[in-house]
Amino acid sequence: NAGVTQTPKFQVLKTGQSMTLQCAQDMNHEYMSWYRQDPGMGLRLIHYSVGAGITDQGEVPNGYNVSRSTTEDFPLRLLSAAPSQTSVYFCASSYGGGGDFEQYFGPGTRLTVT
Amino acid sequence: GENVEQHPSTLSVQEGDSAVIKCTYSDSASNYFPWYKQELGKGPQLIIDIRSNVGEKKDQRIAVTLNKTAKHFSLHITETQPEDSAVYFCAAAGGYQKVTFGIGTKLQVIP
Repeated sequence: NAGVTQTPKFQVLKTGQSMTLQCAQDMNHEYMSWYRQDPGMGLRLIHYSVGAGITDQGEVPNGYNVSRSTTEDFPLRLLSAAPSQTSVYFCASSYGGGGDFEQYFGPGTRLTVT
Repeated sequence: GENVEQHPSTLSVQEGDSAVIKCTYSDSASNYFPWYKQELGKGPQLIIDIRSNVGEKKDQRIAVTLNKTAKHFSLHITETQPEDSAVYFCAAAGGYQKVTFGIGTKLQVIP
């Protein structure tokens, strides 16, 4: 099993550009989430999904879109990048059944918006 | 919403000593408390977790305690080793979509 994979590892964008951060998992997990990590602020939930076709907003959803067309993939879209979106982004997945909420995190994408 | 406070933000210990990291939470509905370890350049990895119906859990050199009345939980690492150096995050959850993380503790184990 590859676990949770994320691409790209690094990305530099100019203000106003759009891009998609990719996330995939091969563990057949129903639950998937996107977090951003900023110094002194821990991990903050952006969007999450409890299954294919079902997504919802987390704590900091503004400026980001998600979709979940398959169990395996959960891409995060930045519609018009802003410097405030400079951060490290982590995707995570979880089985979720029976209250099993252990999250498996990907290696992260470091995004810089200039 | 849930608020998780974690302290200290940095912690230095001598190899072989114990390390303790403390967290408090605000939402009495939270019932799952995981701890994650994040090594440099990697994603967080679960090291231990505890549910609200248990007061203490141990796994080799790592233990977690939970006081539901006071709404606080702690991570204890005994006989620390250099490979324990990392950032540790606590979290509180009342369900999958309600996971709230602390700001993290950078632990340095000095050989």
